[in-house]
Amino acid sequence: DAGVIQSPRHEVTEMGQEVTLRCKPISGHDYLFWYRQTMMRGLELLIYFNNNVPIDDSGMPEDRFSAKMPNASFSTLKIQPSEPRDSAVYFCASSLASGTSGGREQFFGPGTRLTVL
Amino acid sequence: GQSLEQPSEVTAVEGAIVQINCTYQTSGFYGLSWYQQHDGGAPTFLSYNALDGLEETGRFSSFLSRSDSYGYLLLQELQMKDSASYFCAVYQAGTALIFGKGTTLSVSS
Repeated sequence: DAGVIQSPRHEVTEMGQEVTLRCKPISGHDYLFWYRQTMMRGLELLIYFNNNVPIDDSGMPEDRFSAKMPNASFSTLKIQPSEPRDSAVYFCASSLASGTSGGREQFFGPGTRLTVL
Repeated sequence: GQSLEQPSEVTAVEGAIVQINCTYQTSGFYGLSWYQQHDGGAPTFLSYNALDGLEETGRFSSFLSRSDSYGYLLLQELQMKDSASYFCAVYQAGTALIFGKGTTLSVSS
């Protein structure tokens, strides 16, 4: 299996521009998570989906952030307009609803390092 | 509310044993997970405890006490490659993980 795939790996943009981050979860996984990691705030859960349906988006910081999962193999996280304080590493992760660890193990993608100038 | 507390930094030498503690406050607690993250990398799963007691996986062990809302990760026979950040994470209702701020472990020779 290729694991969780994220693109782009690095993104540098200017304040006010739209940014779209992409994620392909592991095939067969029921849950997909979007996290943001910064030195100050650590690893924060932004939103997660179960079977393509958003379950909890309480971690999405502002209306500038939106996420979609149009099908089981693809999700996007969009920031519009972007601001310098959005600079962070954004991780996508996926997991099974059940498994040897009871589905608690999340598999993380390599992350997208976003820099907003 | 919910919170997790773990030390920010720990240092040790090769071959030593180190324990990273984690205390938590949360509702709907199901279990405690540990993740490892090397610089520039993604978090990777180490262990999961749903019941009280010790779980051993090679050089790493994880412990949970539900009554004390406390757990720890024990790393034995430390190696240089164990230098990384270690996160405890509470698994709660809805399959969402809440991560602690992480402990940076530095192993020296």
